[in-house]
Parts: sequence; C-alpha cells; structure tokens
Amino acid sequence: QLQLQESGPGLVKPSETLSLTCTVSGGSISSSSYYWGWIRQPPGKGLEWIGSIYYSGSTYYNPSLKSRVTISVDTSKNQFSLKLSSVTAADTAVYYCARHQKGYDRPGRWFDPWGQGTLVTVSS
Amino acid sequence: EIVMTQSPATLSVSPGERATLSCRASQSVSSNLAWYQQKPGQAPRLLIYGASTRATGIPARFSGSGSGTEFTLTISSLQSEDFAVYYCQQYNNWPPWTFGQGTKLEIK
Repeated sequence: QLQLQESGPGLVKPSETLSLTCTVSGGSISSSSYYWGWIRQPPGKGLEWIGSIYYSGSTYYNPSLKSRVTISVDTSKNQFSLKLSSVTAADTAVYYCARHQKGYDRPGRWFDPWGQGTLVTVSS
Repeated sequence: EIVMTQSPATLSVSPGERATLSCRASQSVSSNLAWYQQKPGQAPRLLIYGASTRATGIPARFSGSGSGTEFTLTISSLQSEDFAVYYCQQYNNWPPWTFGQGTKLEIK
C-alpha cells in the first residue's frame, strides 16, 4: 500500500532554512487524483496545514506561512520537498507529509495516508 | 480562514460506553469535513470524510454526523484502543485547510 516517509535534519539553527523531503512508495506521485501536502504539529499542540503541491507543480500555501514556504516536486524520484526559511523556535514541530485527496470541484479534501512524521527542533 | 472549534478539550468515558465529540465551524463548511484519530507518537489516521463516510478499514462503531457548522463524531462502545486525540478538519474553503484543536478522549 502507499507509504510516505519524511527525511531531513532534525536540528536547524534559528534564521536558517528547514528542508525536508517526503518519499512516496507503493504508488505514483504523478497521479491525477491527488495533491501532496505538508502538515506540522508543535509539541503538545494541534495540527497546522503548511502547503500542498500537485505533480504538475501547482501549489497552495498557508497564508500565514506563505512568505517563508516553498514546496517542490520531483516526479522522477517520486518525492516532494518542503523548505521553510528564517526559522525560529516557533517552527519547532513534528512535520508530516500526507497524500491530499483531490476533489472534482476542489484541489484538496482530506489527508490520507500520512507519513510517520519527523521532529525538527530549531535551536542554536 | 475558517476556524474549527472542538469540544470538550478532554472527555473522560468508561470502556464500553458511548463517546460524543463535537466540532463547530466558524462558517458553513457544508459536509466537507473529516475526522482523524491520533495516538501518542503516531501520525493522525483518517476516520471519517464527507462528515459521515467511514474511511477504509474503520470499524462501524465510529460514526459521523452533521452539516453546515455543527458536527459530531460518535464512538458507540469504546474499546481500549479508541482512547486517543481526535481532530476535525474542514475542506470547504481553502487555503488554508484547517483543523480543530483536538479532543483528548481518556479513560474514566
């Protein structure tokens, strides 16, 4: 079945750029039925959608993060990636990647399945 | 941005009993609502979409209802593995797709 796996540094210094990659296995990232998303969860807190990307490169970003976020896709590697610039301690969180179900009338609906998540700590 | 508000923050229920969790949207989201379950140290798992459709493999004791701004997740007879945190998420208006703050379901 479809699996997603996040990878990247677990520690990032303040003001630097957080970079993560999500590798998709058991299915193609080039499916026309899905977007691919990033969601984060600060320790002990709730879920925040960061952004989503289609295999063509079309993106949606959370307006609250838009100025700092870039999501890209590499269909040849079946991967998509997240870059978050100028990080602060407030960006410390578990970062999840997930498949974002596309709708006939909307770009994204629910998220399923999710990767296991990776904790990124922002600290000097 | 649509704000999703879940209540209560914590719900204490005995095994075998029924649990009712609520989710309210700041404006109508029609039936464009999903529910997730998250256990400690794990990723969220999709339970319900379209406000009332169970995802693949989800037991029948989980049911969702509601439309517009008021939604309910009901677990008919709690099993030990059901104690977790539950989130609702709207996908009617975007961006952003937004989640509630979660309800922790704990053993009474």
